[in-house]
Amino acid sequence: QVQLQESGPGLVKPSETLTLKCTVSGGPISGHDWSWIRQSPGKPLEWIGHRYSTGSTTYNPSLESRVSFGVDTSEKWFSLRLNSVTAADTAIYYCARWQTGTVADWYFPLWGRGTRVTVSS
Amino acid sequence: DTQLTQSPPSLSASVGDRVSITCRASQNIDRFLNWYQVQPGKAPRVLIYAASTLASGIPSRFSGRGSRTDYSLIISDLQPEDSAIYFCQQSYSEPSFGSGTRVEIK
Repeated sequence: QVQLQESGPGLVKPSETLTLKCTVSGGPISGHDWSWIRQSPGKPLEWIGHRYSTGSTTYNPSLESRVSFGVDTSEKWFSLRLNSVTAADTAIYYCARWQTGTVADWYFPLWGRGTRVTVSS
Repeated sequence: DTQLTQSPPSLSASVGDRVSITCRASQNIDRFLNWYQVQPGKAPRVLIYAASTLASGIPSRFSGRGSRTDYSLIISDLQPEDSAIYFCQQSYSEPSFGSGTRVEIK
């Protein structure tokens, strides 16, 4: 079955750029929409954005100026770049597949286990 | 932005009990409401989507109901493996999440 696995540095210094990768196994990246979600300590999950199968993206307005997504369909991974990080970006970061249907069935059917990122000098 | 208020923050119940978790939206979200389960060391998994549709492979003791602003997740016949954090998520506007409910088995 399809599995997602996040990977990244674990520790990033303030003002630097965080880059995370989500590797997709057991199925294609192409033809699907993908998302990043994070959870900071003591806070609810926060949607970061979607990358659609068309190549277009939608970002959370609160992060839009600092975030970008990428994809490598041949290597079967998609990525998150978040620049100018601060302690507020410390969180568990999840990748997930985004699915939209014909009625109200818009949801995240698949998730990775998450990767913990700490922003600290 | 659509805010989701989830309650209770935690609950403790016995095997075989019926438990209910509620999620209230700050506006009508027209059944664009999903429920997920998170267990330590595992990926979150969807339980219910579109307010009441059981996701593939999810036991029938999980059910969802609701409309407009008020939704609930019901676990009937609680099992030891149901110990987890449960959260709601709306897709009517840009996705947002409830604060989660920790379910503990007595």
